[in-house]
Parts: sequence; C-alpha cells; structure tokens
Amino acid sequence: NAGVTQTPKFQVLKTGQSMTLQCAQDMNHNSMYWYRQDPGMGLRLIYYSASEGTTDKGEVPNGYNVSRLNKREFSLRLESAAPSQTSVYFCASSEGWQGYGYTFGSGTRLTVV
Amino acid sequence: DQQVKQNSPSLSVQEGRISILNCDYTNSMFDYFLWYKKYPAEGPTFLISISSIKDKNEDGRFTVFLNKSAKHLSLHIVPSQPGDSAVYFCAATPRGSGNTGKLIFGQGTTLQVKP
Repeated sequence: NAGVTQTPKFQVLKTGQSMTLQCAQDMNHNSMYWYRQDPGMGLRLIYYSASEGTTDKGEVPNGYNVSRLNKREFSLRLESAAPSQTSVYFCASSEGWQGYGYTFGSGTRLTVV
Repeated sequence: DQQVKQNSPSLSVQEGRISILNCDYTNSMFDYFLWYKKYPAEGPTFLISISSIKDKNEDGRFTVFLNKSAKHLSLHIVPSQPGDSAVYFCAATPRGSGNTGKLIFGQGTTLQVKP
C-alpha cells in the first residue's frame, strides 16, 4: 500500500547547488503533479504530467524542470537552487480530471541556505 | 491573483460542536470543488467534493455547501472531534482542464478541536 513515494524527505542545499526530487506511484495513475507549499500561500502547482510522455507548466514553474520517466515516475529538478525555493514539495498522482482522485506523497522539506 | 481564498488562517472549536470552514472563489469557471485535510508531516488527503451543479454534498460528519451566487463554499463538521484537528485546504478544478486533473488550492485553515 505504498501509494506515492517521495525521496528524500529532508534536504538542505547551498545556493547554486542542484538536486532532483524523486516521486513514484504504484496505482497506475495517468496524471502526476508537483506542488509546493508555502506559509500563507497554500499549495501551488509547479509542473504536471497529464499522461506518460507529456509535461506542462503550472503556476510557478520558474527555476524547475521535470521529467516523466515512465508511467510510475515523475521527477522534479532544481538546476541552481535559490533561497526562494525553500519550501515543502509534494508530489501527487490521479486518474485525471476528477481531481478528487489525487493521492499525495508525504512531502520533501527543502531548505536552501 | 488568488482564485481560491480561505480568509481565516485558523479556527478553534470545542469537541462536539460544529466546525465551519469557509472558502471563496473569484472564477465562475470551476467544475468541482474539493476539501483536503492535512496532518503535520503528511501529505494532504481527500475529504469530500461537490460538483458545481450541486448545492450540497454530505458524507458522514462532513457536509459541503456551495453557494454559486456568492461564489462561496463551506465545510461543516458535526460533531467535531479532536482527531479533526488539521489544516484544511479548499480546492477547485478549472473548467476546460480536461483530463489534466489540475487543482487550484486555497491557503488553508488550521482547525483545532479542543477536548
């Protein structure tokens, strides 16, 4: 009953460093998403992948890149981390338009110093 | 511009009483509205949803009301229990988002239910 698995759970980066956040789901969902959660801002969509082989920008894509490696995996890359990217990152998956089918991972807490 | 707004950052209620969480939206072009619940150090979990063509949806202790003319929805929890203490996010699916399943979230309201 893994659902959506995110790694790592915690990370501290120095400004300018790069890293990749990994996400995998075992529910055979078509759609996958990356959100960031900041105090007072709620959850904001960074990138999403409606189906394997496609990716699209969300509300706040600047500074990030994504890869839909296969149907199970959707990674988020920070090429040159900035303090403004300090946040909690959530990966989610769903069957599609119903929205309520979202299953979230437990999050990655990233601090950029 | 925040299309989905939760103007109350926090709410405190007594166990057994009703909790009412509110959400306002600015865009009429939403298909579904949803509520998610989030405990610390966990991801949000789906709680209840309502179609834009309905006024009310009920699931056990949880009821969501939609007032389209006021662009307002609310989540009622009756009776409230200490285990309901969490952050509650209101969310909406934009019309025309097709099979992408995109959600727009509000800022969240922290509910504390006191024993």
